[in-house]
Amino acid sequence: NAGVTQTPKFRVLKTGQSMTLLCAQDMNHEYMYWYRQDPGMGLRLIHYSVGEGTTAKGEVPDGYNVSRLKKQNFLLGLESAAPSQTSVYFCASSYSKGTSGEIITYNEQFFGPGTRLTVL
Amino acid sequence: AQKVTQAQTEISVVEKEDVTLDCVYETRDTTYYLFWYKQPPSGELVFLIRRNSFDEQNEISGRYSWNFQKSTSSFNFTITASQVVDSAVYFCALSGRSWGKLQFGAGTQVVVTP
Repeated sequence: NAGVTQTPKFRVLKTGQSMTLLCAQDMNHEYMYWYRQDPGMGLRLIHYSVGEGTTAKGEVPDGYNVSRLKKQNFLLGLESAAPSQTSVYFCASSYSKGTSGEIITYNEQFFGPGTRLTVL
Repeated sequence: AQKVTQAQTEISVVEKEDVTLDCVYETRDTTYYLFWYKQPPSGELVFLIRRNSFDEQNEISGRYSWNFQKSTSSFNFTITASQVVDSAVYFCALSGRSWGKLQFGAGTQVVVTP
């Protein structure tokens, strides 16, 4: 199993350009997440998805859009890149246990290798 | 709102010394989960441990141990007899009942010198 993969690994954009980051997981996980990592700030949640066809905003969603057309893929788009979006982007996937009527427990997230994006 | 505080920005030790990383959290959820992740210089995030809020037993895994104290809202991590390979950034994280979303601390850089 490849786990969680991200493409590309590195990218340099000019201000105003657009791009899409692709995340894929082969673990059949329900939940997928996009985080950004900036120096001294840990990781911050951008958007997340709790299932195919669903997405929701995280802590820092502005300037980003996402789509999850297939369960195994989660795409992060930058429509008009800005220098403030220079960061390392991590995708993660996870799963839960429990059904309706039971206590649902959430498990650890599995992270991809990251994409280093520079916006000039 | 949830919050995770890792007050130590960087800790430097000499090999074989013990090092303890502090993590203090805030949450209003009665059920929550605490995690530690390691980020070595290569950049990937490596899962170390997950702890449920209703399980306060401490855990030991090799040279790693974790001390969970609900009374002080802390989940500290100790590396015993540190090695150079332990040099990394360590993140403490918290998730509540909302879809497993993680709130990360700022991370603690551990530098182990020979």
